[in-house]
Amino acid sequence: GDSVTQMEGPVTLSEEAFLTINCTYTATGYPSLFWYVQYPGEGLQLLLKATKADDKGSNKGFEATYRKETTSFHLEKGSVQVSDSAVYFCALTGNTPLVFGKGTRLSVIA
Amino acid sequence: DTAVSQTPKYLVTQMGNDKSIKCEQNLGHDTMYWYKQDSKKFLKIMFSYNNKELIINETVPNRFSPKSPDKAHLNLHINSLELGDSAVYFCASSLTGTGIGGTDTQYFGPGTRLTVL
Repeated sequence: GDSVTQMEGPVTLSEEAFLTINCTYTATGYPSLFWYVQYPGEGLQLLLKATKADDKGSNKGFEATYRKETTSFHLEKGSVQVSDSAVYFCALTGNTPLVFGKGTRLSVIA
Repeated sequence: DTAVSQTPKYLVTQMGNDKSIKCEQNLGHDTMYWYKQDSKKFLKIMFSYNNKELIINETVPNRFSPKSPDKAHLNLHINSLELGDSAVYFCASSLTGTGIGGTDTQYFGPGTRLTVL
C-alpha cells in the first residue's frame, strides 16, 4: 500500500542554519503530497502541499518540491528560527486516506 | 473562534471503563476524521465520515464506535478501555471529499490525551 518514509530525528540545529528533512513516498497513481507541522501541545497544521509533479509548495520560508522521478518531497528552509521547533510530518493522499510518515522532531537552539 | 475543537483535552480513566471524546467543527466542512497518535508520534487514521456517513473504517477494534449526529460533530465512544488505548486522539475535518485521495487540507483539533490506568 501507499507509504511515506521520512528521516529519523531528532534533528538539532542552531538558529539560522539550513534545514532539510527528507521524505520519500511509495504510491500508485499520482498522489498529493503534504507537510504538516505539530507544535508542542497542539494539533497538526498544514505547512504546505503540492498536488502534481514539479509543483513547489511554500509557506513561512519552508519549501518542498514534488519530484516524481525520485518519489521525493523534501522539506527545506534556508534559515531556521527557535520558533520552528516542532515535529514535522510528511503525508500523502492518493487512493488511500491521508498516510503520514513517522514524523521528524526539530529542535532549534539559539 | 476555534475551528476544530475537542473535549476533553485530557482524560484519565481505569481499564474497563467506557468513555467518549467529543469533536465539533465550525468550518462548514463535509468530512470529519479521527486519528490516533501513539507514544512515538505515529499518526494513523481510524475513521472518516462524509455528511454523517461512515466512509473509512480502518482496522480499529469494534470497542471504538464513532457517532456523527450532524455534519459538524463526530464523537468517539470507546468501550471497555484497555491499556493499549492510551494515546492522543485527534479529530480533523476537510471541506469536501471522502478522505480518500483529493487535495483538501485537513484541519486538526488540539487533541485529547487519553491515559488508561
